Amino acid sequence: DGGITQSPKYLFRKEGQNVTLSCEQNLNHDAMYWYRQDPGQGLRLIYYSQIVNDFQKGDIAEGYSVSREKKESFPLTVTSAQKNPTAFYLCASSMIAVGQLSNYGYTFGSGTRLTVV
Amino acid sequence: AQTVTQSQPEMSVQEAETVTLSCTYDTSESDYYLFWYKQPPSRQMILVIRQEAYKQQNATENRFSVNFQKAAKSFSLKISDSQLGDAAMYFCAYRSAQGGSEKLVFGKGTKLTVNP
Repeated sequence: DGGITQSPKYLFRKEGQNVTLSCEQNLNHDAMYWYRQDPGQGLRLIYYSQIVNDFQKGDIAEGYSVSREKKESFPLTVTSAQKNPTAFYLCASSMIAVGQLSNYGYTFGSGTRLTVV
Repeated sequence: AQTVTQSQPEMSVQEAETVTLSCTYDTSESDYYLFWYKQPPSRQMILVIRQEAYKQQNATENRFSVNFQKAAKSFSLKISDSQLGDAAMYFCAYRSAQGGSEKLVFGKGTKLTVNP
């Protein structure tokens, strides 16, 4: 079955450590996204990528980094520069209709809960 | 930049009754898409319904329907015959129709409780 797989489901990070969250999709979607979810804040965009080897910062990119070496994969690294990384992280993907109007929504992964210990 | 506002942090409804969740948005664009997503306790995001701004007819999916008022920039979600499984966070989202602008902008969500 096609879908998005996020791993791990739970992740614990010590102060000063970098950690990487995995996101893989087999939907052949062009675009992939990372969102952060905090209580009462909704979903805020961290990074997104519309094509391999290219990505753009979202609204809260500081302290995070990404790569898009393969169409299927969009890992997110939470660096030690992110001062408050404890949150729920959601990865999503979507199709892009070039030159056409598109009503595509997103397909979401099941999320990763990151906790600083 | 577009913004989405959900003014009701929490709502409750009795089972089998109808509830309406509010959403307003701000944009200078004329073509765009609007979505409602449901996030149950499992935290899996589920697409509930979508609306194209160029369509005047309100979208409907079974017990879920929207009231889309383009001039007022309002996009409310009506849930009829509420069921216990409808209890969840509901997020309203906006997406530009411009090519290359695939980002979804989310509201902060409304927590819906369904009382038996």
